Amino acid sequence: SQKIEQNSEALNIQEGKTATLTCNYTNYSPAYLQWYRQDPGRGPVFLLLIRENEKEKRKERLKVTFDTTLKQSLFHITASQPADSATYLCALDFTGGGNKLTFGTGTQLKVEL
Amino acid sequence: EPEVTQTPSHQVTQMGQEVILRCVPISNHLYFYWYRQILGQKVEFLVSFYNNEISEKSEIFDDQFSVERPDGSNFTLKIRSTKLEDSAMYFCASSERRNQETQYFGPGTRLLVL
Repeated sequence: SQKIEQNSEALNIQEGKTATLTCNYTNYSPAYLQWYRQDPGRGPVFLLLIRENEKEKRKERLKVTFDTTLKQSLFHITASQPADSATYLCALDFTGGGNKLTFGTGTQLKVEL
Repeated sequence: EPEVTQTPSHQVTQMGQEVILRCVPISNHLYFYWYRQILGQKVEFLVSFYNNEISEKSEIFDDQFSVERPDGSNFTLKIRSTKLEDSAMYFCASSERRNQETQYFGPGTRLLVL
């Protein structure tokens, strides 16, 4: 069956460092992959979408890579700040129809002073 | 910036009662979705809706669930006879078009079934 795997262990890093989060998926070649941020008790907030023909995408301090051979996406936050502390979710549409996002369990990031 | 809104923010109900969760999607969006998140678990797809009909639904979305767009702005999720295991955060989302398009999520309704 199709799966999305994110590191379930929380990631603690120091302010100013680069955080790197991993998303692995199985049994599918998605046309695109998305990253969302979720704060406690709130809805997911869209951050970045990367398509299968894009190796890398950037938005301000965020960078996403997409390796369809490894079936992996890496999400980087450079110059991290305490305000970046949240859970980051990887999401794929395994149906290919754009109708149904499957989310990973998310990785909790804590940026410490 | 336009956003998806949901009401109520919290709902407490007795098992077996009907609940209706309401959403106002972003105004020029055409595709609507409901997801749920049980406490401590991942966000799960329930249903997608386009052109006044269901496009896709998950196994969770059984006969107890229904969706409706009663007017030009609201999108509702009805649970006919709630069960304890329906307790979760319910998120509405919308997108401008399907496929390769971002879904924008509302703040959620926290449903507690006693």
